[in-house]
Amino acid sequence: AQKVTQAQTEISVVEKEDVTLDCVYETRDTTYYLFWYKQPPSGELVFLIRRNSFDEQNEISGRYSWNFQKSTSSFNFTITASQVVDSAVYFCALMDNNDMRFGAGTRLTVKP
Amino acid sequence: EAGVAQSPRYKIIEKRQSVAFWCNPISGHATLYWYQQILGQGPKLLIQFQNNGVVDDSQLPKDRFSAERLKGVDSTLKIQPAKLEDSAVYLCASSLDRGEGRAFFGQGTRLTVV
Repeated sequence: AQKVTQAQTEISVVEKEDVTLDCVYETRDTTYYLFWYKQPPSGELVFLIRRNSFDEQNEISGRYSWNFQKSTSSFNFTITASQVVDSAVYFCALMDNNDMRFGAGTRLTVKP
Repeated sequence: EAGVAQSPRYKIIEKRQSVAFWCNPISGHATLYWYQQILGQGPKLLIQFQNNGVVDDSQLPKDRFSAERLKGVDSTLKIQPAKLEDSAVYLCASSLDRGEGRAFFGQGTRLTVV
């Protein structure tokens, strides 16, 4: 069964702290994609990254970085030097067989 | 590039009434999705269209929900009759093609059933 688990329901940090959002997934497929989306208070889901199952290279984009480890079925997301504008709900998602499933989300609050 | 447009943004109805939501995807996107997002949860896929054909509606409560995508462009999602548990945000998304993965989302319609 396909499943995405985001164990952290809410995280609160102070501005400039680093924060890591965890994502663990389950799938029987060998070919799949992993995603992170950001949902600010406006409600629109904003695409952050897509990773395919054959590419385990970690990726860095500005203050954002992603750590994909197939051995532990994890795809964690780190924000370095967090800012107030990073406050949002972050969703991890898994797509296999053209079927996308989202985790329950982690609400991140960055305080000034 | 225009994004995914949805209307209305908000809707309040009484239980047993009917309601319809509209979605206009990004031009040229063949795949269109409707998701239901209950407060505090992640989006749940209701139905997926490829052009004007349904490719996945396994989680759509077909006794009360229906959706169509005429001409493979705009789509409407209808609920009839609504129940209290249908209160949620209904998100429409589109992508270039199935399996392409990167979906672009609209701002959603927040439905409250009282």
